[in-house]
Amino acid sequence: GENVEQHPSTLSVQEGDSAVIKCTYSDSASNYFPWYKQELGKRPQLIIDIRSNVGEKKDQRIAVTLNKTAKHFSLHITETQPEDSAVYFCAASRTTNAGKSTFGDGTTLTVKP
Amino acid sequence: SAVISQKPSRDICQRGTSLTIQCQVDSQVTMMFWYRQQPGQSLTLIATANQGSEATYESGFVIDKFPISRPNLTFSTLTVSNMSPEDSSIYLCSVTENSISEPQHFGDGTRLSIL
Repeated sequence: GENVEQHPSTLSVQEGDSAVIKCTYSDSASNYFPWYKQELGKRPQLIIDIRSNVGEKKDQRIAVTLNKTAKHFSLHITETQPEDSAVYFCAASRTTNAGKSTFGDGTTLTVKP
Repeated sequence: SAVISQKPSRDICQRGTSLTIQCQVDSQVTMMFWYRQQPGQSLTLIATANQGSEATYESGFVIDKFPISRPNLTFSTLTVSNMSPEDSSIYLCSVTENSISEPQHFGDGTRLSIL
């Protein structure tokens, strides 16, 4: 089955700096890669996703890049703010069943004011 | 997006007992899933709840321990049976709305503690 590895497990940045979280996946048939943000005690919320027919997608301060050949994808957050502090999860699945996702172990991002 | 309601939001149970968690969606959805998130850890898929038929379980999860029902396109239940302290976790319902290729959305979860 699919295996998703996520790094780093913790990340601390100064407000205004950029943050990058990286994930690798093992199943070459995976073609859908969402990112979730989970604040303490709350549900995971989708913040951005990318499908394998594109290499990059951006939404304001958040961007995701995908390298299908190397089987890795990354989340980039620019101009970080304290409210970006949360646990971020990457995931991988096939668009034939996008809900059946394999999740990475998560990255705890702390943005220091 | 669909509004997902889970009940109960939390519970404290005695070992050996069972608890049923409900997931209600405000619209018909294509797929419903149940995940487990142990404290401080990632999300692990337990099973896909299939409407009108038996759920599809992931490796390591069995129907006798986690029976699931999905009688219609808006409702599902997960029962955690014969609970032990190792079952202490957050259980999350998720749905994909219109197509199996659409992203999934999660309910608020049920925080379960077993004494």
